[in-house]
Parts: sequence; C-alpha cells; structure tokens
Amino acid sequence: GAVVSQHPSWVICKSGTSVKIECRSLDFQATTMFWYRQFPKQSLMLMATSNEGSKATYEQGVEKDKFLINHASLTLSTLTVTSAHPEDSSFYICSVDRGLNYGYTFGSGTRLTVV
Amino acid sequence: AQSVAQPEDQVNVAEGNPLTVKCTYSVSGNPYLFWYVQYPNRGLQFLLKYITGDNLVKGSYGFEAEFNKSQTSFHLKKPSALVSDSALYFCAVRDTGSARQLTFGSGTQLTVLP
Repeated sequence: GAVVSQHPSWVICKSGTSVKIECRSLDFQATTMFWYRQFPKQSLMLMATSNEGSKATYEQGVEKDKFLINHASLTLSTLTVTSAHPEDSSFYICSVDRGLNYGYTFGSGTRLTVV
Repeated sequence: AQSVAQPEDQVNVAEGNPLTVKCTYSVSGNPYLFWYVQYPNRGLQFLLKYITGDNLVKGSYGFEAEFNKSQTSFHLKKPSALVSDSALYFCAVRDTGSARQLTFGSGTQLTVLP
C-alpha cells in the first residue's frame, strides 16, 4: 500500500520562530492531502485541505496566515507554523487521499512543542 | 454536515473476550465509513472501511464491523481480544457528496486486560 512519510516526528522550538513540517507521498501521486491537529487524548480536527498547484482550503477558525500550507508537487505538502506560540503545541498529522477504493493513508505525525 | 459519535471514551475487556467499540454517524447522503487505530505518538493505521455491498466488513488484525443503516451505526468488533489490541480507536465518516475529508469521532481508548 501507499506510504506517507512525515518529517520531523518531533520538534521543539522557541516562541516566535517558525517550524516546517513535511508530508511526502512516497508511491502515490496525491492531488489532495489533509492536515489534522490532535490535542492529547482528543480526536483529530481537520485544519485544511491541501490541493496540488492551488491554494489550500482552510477550516473555519484556522488562521491561514499562521498555518501556511504549500502543495507544490504531487508528492509533497508542507505545513509551516509561523511565529509559533506555546498554544500551538500539538500533534500534527497529514493524510493522503488515495480515492475511495484505496482509502486514506496517514503520516506518523509530528509532535510540536513550543517553549 | 457529517458527524460521528463514539459514546464510550473508554472500553475495558479481558483478554480472550469479545470486544465491541461503538460508533454512530450522521450524513446527508450515503456514508463511507472507516475505522482507524492509533498507538501513542503515532499516526493512524487503517483497519477497515465500508463503501458499499456487504454490511459485514472484515478488516485487519481480525477486526470486523457491521454497517447498520437503520440504526446509523458501524460498531467495531473482534471475537477474541488481545492485549496488543490496546490502543485508541477512531471511527470516521465521509459523505458521498463532493467533500472528500473525513470527519472523526472523539475516539475510544480500548484497554485489554491480561
């Protein structure tokens, strides 16, 4: 099956700095990827839908200027948390939409801690 | 709008006993339903899905789920639980409409006791 590589798996950064998280679809050309955020012991909340070659679609309440998404190729989507603050600390997970027959494949997640 | 409810935050079961993790859904059209499992600090692993066809769906690691349209449910089951099944389980739904994103339930922590 398809493999999704998410990097880094964990990152610690200082307040005010920016962090980039990469999501790579290793063997599937993904026109659509999704970015989720998960707080401890809670469900996944969809942040945005990443569309290859066009602007991402953000969910209500998600600041697009803070969470920059770039999907410049069919195998790579990036999420940049700009000017990070401690409240941005969370577990971020990407997902590749491989169509209904094959389902959705998830990355292993990135634990972001802002200090 | 689509939504998923997992009414139990926690399910405990003894090893070797059958387990059930409950899920109900709400969609405007026909549902596509999924079950995923998550281990600590990891992404989600696919267990099974219902798209169409047989109401009883068999998936990975001996899990199965039954689609019940009249009760709008998609409960996850396994005949004999293993300690290694202990994890966080998520039910998810996608509408057959144009939106392609999944909506997840709140998750159920399954603990299998030795």
